[in-house]
Amino acid sequence: DSGVTQTPKHLITATGQRVTLRCSPRSGDLSVYWYQQSLDQGLQFLIQYYNGEERAKGNILERFSAQQFPDLHSELNLSSLELGDSALYFCASSSTGGYQPQHFGDGTRLSIL
Amino acid sequence: AQTVTQSQPEMSVQEAETVTLSCTYDTSESDYYLFWYKQPPSRQMILVIRQEAYKQQNATENRFSVNFQKAAKSFSLKISDSQLGDAAMYFCASFGGTSYGKLTFGQGTILTVHP
Repeated sequence: DSGVTQTPKHLITATGQRVTLRCSPRSGDLSVYWYQQSLDQGLQFLIQYYNGEERAKGNILERFSAQQFPDLHSELNLSSLELGDSALYFCASSSTGGYQPQHFGDGTRLSIL
Repeated sequence: AQTVTQSQPEMSVQEAETVTLSCTYDTSESDYYLFWYKQPPSRQMILVIRQEAYKQQNATENRFSVNFQKAAKSFSLKISDSQLGDAAMYFCASFGGTSYGKLTFGQGTILTVHP
């Protein structure tokens, strides 16, 4: 158990819909990262938050947004969903935003029908 | 920008034998870290081992060790005394410098362990 909690584990929805994925980092970790794992793109970094502030942004679509709340949990919002958004979405956390190993949650499997 | 390449889509090994998974990377950063993550069928991402680029000594974690060749930008993972539970997808990853904590992953290598 990594200590990172992601909910829900599975999500099935339709094109055009909006979903929210939630992540609770390990106790004491200030930094949260979101990654997308798909068959065609592999594992890709989406966005990082550190203590409530956006720290780095990767290949995140404009239809996607994220935030980190004062209690340090984070949410990834995906809107106007397309078939190609079907993927496994991971959240990871680390103690700081620097050179610390990232510990991953079990992921949320998103299926778009 | 950093890139990570794993040239072996699949590897197999007999139980109790040794296997080496290859990884090459490219970075312009002077300070960076390298990692191996394991993803079993349960889909969890499990940190196996990490190597700081400034350290010359190769990292070791029980049956897992790395061969870090900085000049060649090579970072291979050796699994000794392979066990059935080692069967998984293995990802090589890096981060460093101005990319903060952004992990860049390779394409992955599927490891099969035969009894």
